[in-house]
Amino acid sequence: GAGVSQSPSNKVTEKGKDVELRCDPISGHTALYWYRQSLGQGLEFLIYFQGNSAPDKSGLPSDRFSAERTGGSVSTLTIQRTQQEDSAVYLCASTRTSGSGGETQYFGPGTRLLVL
Amino acid sequence: AQSVAQPEDQVNVAEGNPLTVKCTYSVSGNPYLFWYVQYPNRGLQFLLKYITGDNLVKGSYGFEAEFNKSQTSFHLKKPSALVSDSALYFCAVREYNLRGNYQLIWGAGTKLIIKP
Repeated sequence: GAGVSQSPSNKVTEKGKDVELRCDPISGHTALYWYRQSLGQGLEFLIYFQGNSAPDKSGLPSDRFSAERTGGSVSTLTIQRTQQEDSAVYLCASTRTSGSGGETQYFGPGTRLLVL
Repeated sequence: AQSVAQPEDQVNVAEGNPLTVKCTYSVSGNPYLFWYVQYPNRGLQFLLKYITGDNLVKGSYGFEAEFNKSQTSFHLKKPSALVSDSALYFCAVREYNLRGNYQLIWGAGTKLIIKP
């Protein structure tokens, strides 16, 4: 694919509802990251997938957040029982490998989530 | 733990003048340092990185950054600013997390405004 794509681009939901955010990484990229970007702040790491290894979930803020990556490609980030503080831009990034941590991350355009 | 600081929330520069966006870091061992740019309503794009070698790193769009180990800095520079350089700039440093994976720690971002 041409680049990392994310859908939807915008999502408005009511407090308490569940939402699913989708990420399509660049074809052939083995590593995938989810970040959260709140207004005026840097990126907050959420979760990391590398190949078939168990995901690194160390950044997930609560058990309402989960993510999966099917077939080593598409990933879905799910937020259950959304809260207003979940409102942010959710960014996905992929890299070719993730050996040394020096790889360039390629980002999608993000999903802007607003919880009313 | 590693950290990265961008001391300026906003930098204003006149078109044609040189620009500097500051970044300092705290890390044990040899740092891997990155600059990314986020244009309005677009995803983050990689600009440049320092892993090893020459302290002066050249990147996309005429940007460069100088790794200064004694001052623990990695300031982003451009000799002559363009209005189109107006964007949000993020500095990041590689960290080895408790799960044994590399991840990037991000600064809060600096808004660069280039005035014609």
